[in-house]
Amino acid sequence: AQTVTQSQPEMSVQEAETVTLSCTYDTSESDYYLFWYKQPPSRQMILVIRQEAYKQQNATENRFSVNFQKAAKSFSLKISDSQLGDAAMYFCAYRSAHQFYFGTGTSLTVIP
Amino acid sequence: NAGVTQTPKFRILKIGQSMTLQCTQDMNHNYMYWYRQDPGMGLKLIYYSVGAGITDKGEVPNGYNVSRSTTEDFPLRLELAAPSQTSVYFCASSYGTVNTEAFFGQGTRLTVV
Repeated sequence: AQTVTQSQPEMSVQEAETVTLSCTYDTSESDYYLFWYKQPPSRQMILVIRQEAYKQQNATENRFSVNFQKAAKSFSLKISDSQLGDAAMYFCAYRSAHQFYFGTGTSLTVIP
Repeated sequence: NAGVTQTPKFRILKIGQSMTLQCTQDMNHNYMYWYRQDPGMGLKLIYYSVGAGITDKGEVPNGYNVSRSTTEDFPLRLELAAPSQTSVYFCASSYGTVNTEAFFGQGTRLTVV
């Protein structure tokens, strides 16, 4: 079975600074997608960014970018110019054919 | 755009009671999922469905049942509620292709006392 590991239960960043959240996964599949979701205190799960395993180019969405290292099975999320609204729980997720597998999450605090 | 709608948002149950968490989606997604979220544990898959009439167990199915009679609806049934079922429950849906994300409902916070 696929596993997703987020080794940082909590992280903090100063407003306007950059922070990187780490994620590793384990799979024997060759075709899959990886996602980062944000969960603010409202509880709503919001898609931040996605990465296709076949694409070597790292995905970018405005201030959010990923560092995808397929051989190392690593998928980290970089948040640039951090804002107070970025404070949330962040989940890394792996999608196989039928299921999504989630990590345990990283709680991000943004310090004004 | 309604997306994925879950009801209720909050519920308190007594031990041994039963209830159904409702989930409906209007995006014509063939895949639907039920997850539970516990502090520090991430999201654990309870059951999923790849289409009407087809359901399968996830990682933590014990104590729960599901049905999928239509594309839109995927209710989760809790029989004989136990304190271990205190959690936040999320329903989600997606298309079947691997490049598509899951869309989530707003969650149900369930407390069993």
